[in-house]
Amino acid sequence: AAGVIQSPRHLIKEKRETATLKCYPIPRHDTVYWYQQGPGQDPQFLISFYEKMQSDKGSIPDRFSAQQFSDYHSELNMSSLELGDSALYFCASSPRQGLTGELFFGEGSRLTVL
Amino acid sequence: ILNVEQSPQSLHVQEGDSTNFTCSFPSSNFYALHWYRWETAKSPEALFVMTLNGDEKKKGRISATLNTKEGYSYLYIKGSQPEDSATYLCAFGSGGSNYKLTFGKGTLLTVNP
Repeated sequence: AAGVIQSPRHLIKEKRETATLKCYPIPRHDTVYWYQQGPGQDPQFLISFYEKMQSDKGSIPDRFSAQQFSDYHSELNMSSLELGDSALYFCASSPRQGLTGELFFGEGSRLTVL
Repeated sequence: ILNVEQSPQSLHVQEGDSTNFTCSFPSSNFYALHWYRWETAKSPEALFVMTLNGDEKKKGRISATLNTKEGYSYLYIKGSQPEDSATYLCAFGSGGSNYKLTFGKGTLLTVNP
């Protein structure tokens, strides 16, 4: 069965550079969530999209932006990277917003900022 | 800020032991309570989504209960096996139009053979 696909799986950037993470949800899933997990920390909700519109916003820095495209894939853009942005970024998709709400997670994109 | 607490933080049991751990969450604006199993180097996998007070769900040797009035959920594992070793995350779904999950820090379970 198709799963949530994230790319790249690993990314190394320098401080002040820009990074883009991509998420391809499970087919027919219309909701995408982004989570950030720093070393030794619990996952923190960043932002979510439902039917290509932002549905909720969490602790996402102003340096970050995200969108969901017409094919439902989503991209998380991170600018002016800081050391503290080094983390595992998970994308999850859900078939229905606000109903069962069960999330299906991708394998994550590990960002290392040097 | 929503507070989702899980206890214990970590747990070591012997193969064959039964165990349980707790997730505490706000009792107001409840929508759903999720449990996820997260093995090292893999992505979190959903175990249960519970929405009604008194819900009990079971999947194999793992079961969960929900008390929304007092704001807690228990996850039980019967006859633990080494392959049950993982971090078990609970997530509180707050209601309203902006459905959002707030995760706890997880309980790290290690099952020794």
